[in-house]
Amino acid sequence: DVKVTQSSRYLVKRTGEKVFLECVQDMDHENMFWYRQDPGLGLRLIYFSYDVKMKEKGDIPEGYSVSREKKERFSLILESASTNQTSMYLCASTFETGYSPEAFFGQGTRLTVV
Amino acid sequence: AQSVAQPEDQVNVAEGNPLTVKCTYSVSGNPYLFWYVQYPNRGLQFLLKYITGDNLVKGSYGFEAEFNKSQTSFHLKKPSALVSDSALYFCAVRRTDSWGKLQFGAGTQVVVTP
Repeated sequence: DVKVTQSSRYLVKRTGEKVFLECVQDMDHENMFWYRQDPGLGLRLIYFSYDVKMKEKGDIPEGYSVSREKKERFSLILESASTNQTSMYLCASTFETGYSPEAFFGQGTRLTVV
Repeated sequence: AQSVAQPEDQVNVAEGNPLTVKCTYSVSGNPYLFWYVQYPNRGLQFLLKYITGDNLVKGSYGFEAEFNKSQTSFHLKKPSALVSDSALYFCAVRRTDSWGKLQFGAGTQVVVTP
């Protein structure tokens, strides 16, 4: 069974803290993604990585950075957490097929910034 | 650019009745369309996709979707809804700026009552 695993289901952090969200996939996928999910807004792409050490900004990258040192691991970093970053964060991965990017998702991390 | 619209925030249906979740899209070129489902406090799960070929696509858990090019729609259907189908459903289209990325709709909450 394919697996995308996010390190935490729930996190509570204080404003100004540096926060790390970790994601690991065991499918040898080239592409990995970080989305945030907010009610009524669907999923919005934060960052995308298409290879080790390669990254691309998504639609809402402000306040976030990412790291991909190994193919299977993609980390999302909140440099200085703010209350407006309270959200559900979803990691996903896909094969680099170009035609059928069926995405596999982790279970999500619900982050609350207080 | 591309966009996905899910015109209904919520769909209510009685168990045993047909279920339809609507999706319309806008994209240049041939559309690659997807449906995902999210159960409470979980990540997204792939249901089905349309790439090419037959306009009626069959997927997981008895769901199917009908692609209509002239109406730019990709509605999700199930002939007989179950209470366990209660979940959040997302329609998505492959983005034109990058092969691996998906553009998601805002989501439709489905509530199936016994």
